[in-house]
Amino acid sequence: SSELTQGPAVSVALGQTVRITCQGDSLRTYFASWYQQKPGQAPVLVMYSRNSRPSGIPDRFSGATSGNTASLTITGAQAEDEGDYYCNYRDSFGNHVFGSGTMVAVL
Amino acid sequence: QLHLQESGPGRVKPSETLSLTCSVSGGSINIMNYYWVWIRQSPGKGLEWIASVYYSGSAYYNSSLKSRVTISIDTSKNQFSLNLMSMTAADTAIYYCAREWGEGTGWFLDTWGHGLLITVSS
Repeated sequence: SSELTQGPAVSVALGQTVRITCQGDSLRTYFASWYQQKPGQAPVLVMYSRNSRPSGIPDRFSGATSGNTASLTITGAQAEDEGDYYCNYRDSFGNHVFGSGTMVAVL
Repeated sequence: QLHLQESGPGRVKPSETLSLTCSVSGGSINIMNYYWVWIRQSPGKGLEWIASVYYSGSAYYNSSLKSRVTISIDTSKNQFSLNLMSMTAADTAIYYCAREWGEGTGWFLDTWGHGLLITVSS
């Protein structure tokens, strides 16, 4: 299956650690990327190629892949980390597939 | 710093064709190893990839939209465009343009426009 499955929502206490997962058979072949979207804003790339962070993304964000599951971990979550997080991959035919998104609430 | 800006009508009537343009500044669109992409997001929903185009003009389309979509690139104007025919209320969404970069099995969307809300209404 080409689909990506994400949990709908997760909450984390301020300063604690949260892990968001993304499952799909295609992740055995293709690297996932992760996007953070805050209300009323465009998505922002926060992780790519398993565990690479774009310039400007804090190092509390880390990524990993095991089998068919990609994960994004926020270690020491901050209030500004609240938002929706989407995983994505692009296959060899140029098709992009997005997960349904996970809402992260920082309490 | 690369900047992408969507432009378009804001509102279209049912059955009409939507035409959007993404203007790129701060870098050239006529460059290898980058694709230029349209993505949309229906109100309160997730992200949906629409189409991607290379500087050469070669393109990829979402199979669910392919019959209605055309993506094109104008390197002389440093912009790329989207046409979506036969619009319905289901096409009401925020439309984003983005740049795609990568290699092999790892591609990602590293720069996005702010998005443009398109409403389909008579």
